[in-house]
Amino acid sequence: EAQVTQNPRYLITVTGKKLTVTCSQNMNHEYMSWYRQDPGLGLRQIYYSMNVEVTDKGDVPEGYKVSRKEKRNFPLILESPSPNQTSLYFCASSRVLERPGELFFGEGSRLTVL
Amino acid sequence: EDQVTQSPEALRLQEGESSSLNCSYTVSGLRGLFWYRQDPGKGPEFLFTLYSAGEEKEKERLKATLTKKESFLHITAPKPEDSATYLCAVQANRDDKIIFGKGTRLHILP
Repeated sequence: EAQVTQNPRYLITVTGKKLTVTCSQNMNHEYMSWYRQDPGLGLRQIYYSMNVEVTDKGDVPEGYKVSRKEKRNFPLILESPSPNQTSLYFCASSRVLERPGELFFGEGSRLTVL
Repeated sequence: EDQVTQSPEALRLQEGESSSLNCSYTVSGLRGLFWYRQDPGKGPEFLFTLYSAGEEKEKERLKATLTKKESFLHITAPKPEDSATYLCAVQANRDDKIIFGKGTRLHILP
């Protein structure tokens, strides 16, 4: 089954404690991206990656890091989380050349930073 | 700056009452405009891609249209299961960002 898998789905942490949200896709997609979704602000792009070892900033990259060492994985790293990073996070992927905007989304990871 | 604005923010319709959702955009060089559906607690689900003005796509009770400044998602004779948030997104030619609007929450009453 084609899917984008995120872990953890729910996490409560404290300010400053480093955490990683993993994302894996099994569709051999080149394009992967992270979004955060907040009430009244909609989906905002954090980082995206066109392929292995290629990453670019989206609209809200501050406080986040990403890496793309393998085609299937695109982890999101919060080095020192703060309460304003409390949000619902989505990972998504697509086949760039053929279907650039046809994103497959994961189920989401709800993060609370105390 | 690229921008996507959706209206209305929320819409309540009776079952069978047709209507349209609007997505207006400003982007220099449109590569594509996309519609998604999002159910509560779930990730968005892709519906349509539109590439050029005049293009139309249909799926069951939904039809998406595109002009040079906006897109419409027409919902014909909706059913309660069409209740969801509908998201519009655009991608510009110059880069690979995909920018979303804030969505329209649609509620269909039985």
